[in-house]
Order: sequence, then structure tokens, then C-alpha cells
Amino acid sequence: AQTVTQSQPEMSVQEAETVTLSCTYDTSESDYYLFWYKQPPSRQMILVIRQEAYKQQNATENRFSVNFQKAAKSFSLKISDSQLGDAAMYFCAYRSGGHRNLIFGKGTKLSVKP
Amino acid sequence: GAGVSQSPSNKVTEKGKDVELRCDPISGHTALYWYRQRLGQGLEFLIYFQGNSAPDKSGLPSDRFSAERTGESVSTLTIQRTQQEDSAVYLCASSSDAGSEETQYFGPGTRLLVL
Repeated sequence: AQTVTQSQPEMSVQEAETVTLSCTYDTSESDYYLFWYKQPPSRQMILVIRQEAYKQQNATENRFSVNFQKAAKSFSLKISDSQLGDAAMYFCAYRSGGHRNLIFGKGTKLSVKP
Repeated sequence: GAGVSQSPSNKVTEKGKDVELRCDPISGHTALYWYRQRLGQGLEFLIYFQGNSAPDKSGLPSDRFSAERTGESVSTLTIQRTQQEDSAVYLCASSSDAGSEETQYFGPGTRLLVL
């Protein structure tokens, strides 16, 4: 069975600085997708970024980028120029190409200090 | 509405009672998902609907849990004879079934507390 591990329960970053959140996953499949979701106190999960396993190029969305290391099964999220609004729980998620459901890690709580 | 909506926002019930949680997906989204999020944990998949049928129910934790979807729209998750361990946030998501490019959009969830 696939698993997703986020080893950092909490992280803190100074406003305007850069922070990297870690995620590793375990799978024997070759066709899969990886996601980072943000969950603010409102509870609504918001998609931050996605990565297709077949793509070698790391995904980027404005201040958010990933470091996808397929051989190491690592999928970290880098947030540049951190803003107060980035404070939230961040969840890494995996989806098999053959299934529809997402498998989530336990999350990392990010605090942003002014 | 523009997004996924869920009701009620919060629900407090007594152990042994039945509860119904409702999800209104984004209009036109054919796929609908239910997840459960226990305190301090990530989301656990419960069930997936494609249209009105549920090809994957593998995440339902017991036969006390059931779900249905009608009109390829609203879905209801029912928990019978609730137990304290059912306390969690129940999140619904929908997608436009874009195949491999699918993105799931989540609602704000229903926080269930079983006393």
C-alpha cells in the first residue's frame, strides 16, 4: 500500500524568508501524481501545486515550487518570500494513476513570524 | 454556488444517534469524494462517486457508514449508531473527471462531535 510521510509536524519561518516542507512517499507504481494542499483555519483544503510523476521538470506556481526527486521518492515544497497568509497546515498527497482517491500525509503546521 | 458546500458546518450528537452530512458539489462535477480527518491527522478516504454510483467504497470504516448520491449532484453521508471515535471533520470534494488531469476541490467540512 502507498504511504505518505511528512516528518515535520511544525515549521516556522520569518516573513519574507524561504521555507521548505518535506514529504516522502512509498509506492511501487510508476504512474502517479503528487500534490500539496494548504488548509487554513477555515478548514477548506486549497490545492497549492501538483506534480505528474512522468514529468522531470519541477512544478512551480508563483512563490511555490517543488523539488521532486523520483528515485528518492521525495517531494518537498519550497515557499519563497513567505507571507503571513501562508500560515496554515500543509498536506502532501499522493494519487495513483489507477485510482481516484488521494492518500494524505499527517501534515505540517507552518507558522509565519512578522 | 461557486464552490463545494457542506452542511451542517458543525454537528454535536449523542452516542448511538444517527447523523446525516450533506455535500453539494460544484455544478457539473461528476466525481465526488468523502474524506475523514481526525484531530491532528491527515485525511482518510472514505468513498468515491462517479455520477450516482460508487465504484470505490473501500475506505468506509464499518457498515455503520453509508453514502448516496442523487441526480449526479448532492451526496449524503450517513453514520448510524454513532460512536465517540466517529468524531472528526468530514470533508467532501468534487472534480470534473478530467482523467489524469483531475483536480479535487474541497468543501469546508462538517465537524462532528459525538458525546
